[in-house]
Amino acid sequence: KQEVTQIPAALSVPEGENLVLNCSFTDSAIYNLQWFRQDPGKGLTSLLLIQSSQREQTSGRLNASLDKSSGRSTLYIAASQPGDSATYLCAVRTGTASKLTFGTGTRLQVTL
Amino acid sequence: SQTIHQWPATLVQPVGSPLSLECTVEGTSNPNLYWYRQAAGRGLQLLFYSVGIGQISSEVPQNLSASRPQDRQFILSSKKLLLSDSGFYLCAWSNVDGSPLHFGNGTRLTVT
Repeated sequence: KQEVTQIPAALSVPEGENLVLNCSFTDSAIYNLQWFRQDPGKGLTSLLLIQSSQREQTSGRLNASLDKSSGRSTLYIAASQPGDSATYLCAVRTGTASKLTFGTGTRLQVTL
Repeated sequence: SQTIHQWPATLVQPVGSPLSLECTVEGTSNPNLYWYRQAAGRGLQLLFYSVGIGQISSEVPQNLSASRPQDRQFILSSKKLLLSDSGFYLCAWSNVDGSPLHFGNGTRLTVT
C-alpha cells in the first residue's frame, strides 16, 4: 500500500527566502506525482505534474523534482511571498491510472 | 477550457437526514471523476471514483454512495447522515490518460 509523507508539517519563513518542501513515498512504482496548493476552506489548485519518466518540472518560481528510485520529490519555491502562504500537498498516482494517494501537507506561512 | 462546478459550498444537516452533493464538469468528455473527503487535520481520503457512466468504484466502506447518471455529472449521496460524515468534500476530474487532477471548490458539510 502506497504511503506518502510530507515533512515538515508546518513551516514559517520570512518574505524573500527560498524554501524546499519535501515529499516521500514508499512504493517507487509510480505513474506520476502532482503538487497542489490549498488555501484555507478552498479546493486544491494543481501546481505541477511530474511524469515518472521526468526528473523535474518548472512553473514560474516553482520547481518540482522527482527521484523515483529513492521515493522522493521536492518542491522548491524561490523568493517566497506572503501570497505563497497556503498548505502544499503532494500526491502520487500508482497502480491503475485512476487513483492518487495524498500526503497530509505542509502548511507554509510567509511573513513580512 | 475545462471547468468543474461543485455545490453547495456549505451545508448543515441534522443526523439522520439525507444528503446529495452534485458535481459537474464542462469542456471535456469521458473524464475520470472522483469524490474525496478531507477531515480536519487529516489528509484527503478517496471515497469513490468513476471511469464512465454508471461505473462507480468505492474505496472505503461507509455510509455514502455515489452515482454518475451522465458523462460529466457525479453525485454523492447518503440516505441517513451520521455525525462522522462531517467534513470537507471535494470533487475532482482528470482525463483518462493520467493528466493532472483538477478539483472543485469543495463542500463543507456539518452534521449536527
